[in-house]
Amino acid sequence: AQSVTQLDSQVPVFEEAPVELRCNYSSSVSVYLFWYVQYPNQGLQLLLKYLSGSTLVKGINGFEAEFNKSQTSFHLRKPSVHISDTAEYFCAVNDKRGGSNYKLTFGKGTLLTVNP
Amino acid sequence: SQTIHQWPATLVQPVGSPLSLECTVEGTSNPNLYWYRQAAGRGLQLLFYSVGIGQISSEVPQNLSASRPQDRQFILSSKKLLLSDSGFYLCAWSSKGPGKAFFGQGTRLTVV
Repeated sequence: AQSVTQLDSQVPVFEEAPVELRCNYSSSVSVYLFWYVQYPNQGLQLLLKYLSGSTLVKGINGFEAEFNKSQTSFHLRKPSVHISDTAEYFCAVNDKRGGSNYKLTFGKGTLLTVNP
Repeated sequence: SQTIHQWPATLVQPVGSPLSLECTVEGTSNPNLYWYRQAAGRGLQLLFYSVGIGQISSEVPQNLSASRPQDRQFILSSKKLLLSDSGFYLCAWSSKGPGKAFFGQGTRLTVV
């Protein structure tokens, strides 16, 4: 079964600074990776996903992530953050359970706090 | 378009009382359905997973159960709540295959 490790539980940054949120996954033959964002007391929204193709994936709100197979990583980046980016970010991997069924496994989340 | 409804948004229940949280999906058929629990600092823990009517996989032993009486309805239940059942519960659905999941707005359960 897959596992996901988010190395930083909290990341404080100043507004307009760049940010990188780290994510590593356990190795598998087929890897499908996701980043979700959660604002307070809300459900999760998809930021971006990697299913195949280009290893650099661009998502909503100016975020991007790079799939690195050799390092089994899928780090999330943004060159300049805004106050409104303050939220919890979850990395996730899809694990094939048989047939066409997959299970989505999440990391423990990284709380990004953007300070003025 | 597809939508997912989860209710109630907040719930305060006494220890030992029963629980029923409901989740319904519209605009799709035969989805995979999920119940997750989120506790502070612990990410999202998958509780139950269903690939079809009456088919429930339990991921962790606990005081909760799940049922799928209809294709697009997923219910999380407990006969007697414990204090440790407090948390933020999220329902989600996905199509078959490795694509993304769509989440409900969550239920904040406080057991007192």
